[in-house]
Amino acid sequence: DAKTTQPNSMESNEEEPVHLPCNHSTISGTDYIHWYRQLPSQGPEYVIHGLTSNVNNRMASLAIAEDRKSSTLILHRATLRDAAVYYCIHPLGGGADGLTFGKGTHLIIQP
Amino acid sequence: GAGVSQSPSNKVTEKGKDVELRCDPISGHTALYWYRQSLGQGLEFLIYFQGNSAPDKSGLPSDRFSAERTGGSVSTLTIQRTQQEDSAVYLCASSLDTGTDTEAFFGQGTRLTVV
Repeated sequence: DAKTTQPNSMESNEEEPVHLPCNHSTISGTDYIHWYRQLPSQGPEYVIHGLTSNVNNRMASLAIAEDRKSSTLILHRATLRDAAVYYCIHPLGGGADGLTFGKGTHLIIQP
Repeated sequence: GAGVSQSPSNKVTEKGKDVELRCDPISGHTALYWYRQSLGQGLEFLIYFQGNSAPDKSGLPSDRFSAERTGGSVSTLTIQRTQQEDSAVYLCASSLDTGTDTEAFFGQGTRLTVV
């Protein structure tokens, strides 16, 4: 079973920021928080990951709560191409938990 | 290649036939994962390899499913006596290792249709 909780779906307007929340209350001190997304008819793609500090890359930012029990993926300026299912996971060291995906958040972008 | 390659991209087979799905991971990646995704559903974990070993086979749906990996590289997922419920997209991913600081790269998948 996935150890993260995400809203089933979210809707945003194009060119506006999007904040995708994730709860991971059972995370251990050494688990990284990873985000992947799956565009329609494609395999999942890596978005970003982090441990304690907030992280930024060309795709998104990741804000991690101080207690690490939740995080937020931030898309600073959503485009129609960002419409996808976003998965938040915290992989353990391999095994069935290594990369177990929940149902994710279906992000809908309105033009 | 630059990414994870899966073949074939599409496969239509008759019920009862055996099929083999192939995954070429990124060179040097020791960890390899197989998933299944039915239409409109999430990713279902099947099996993972660390090198040539598969420590966890608990996700395989039945004994008709098997997977192997040779030379720490290419992996094949075999489905024997296919059933219509096996129809899905089969996705493969690889990563440098199974550490939690490692990102995984996915292939485009093999769409299997059992008729």
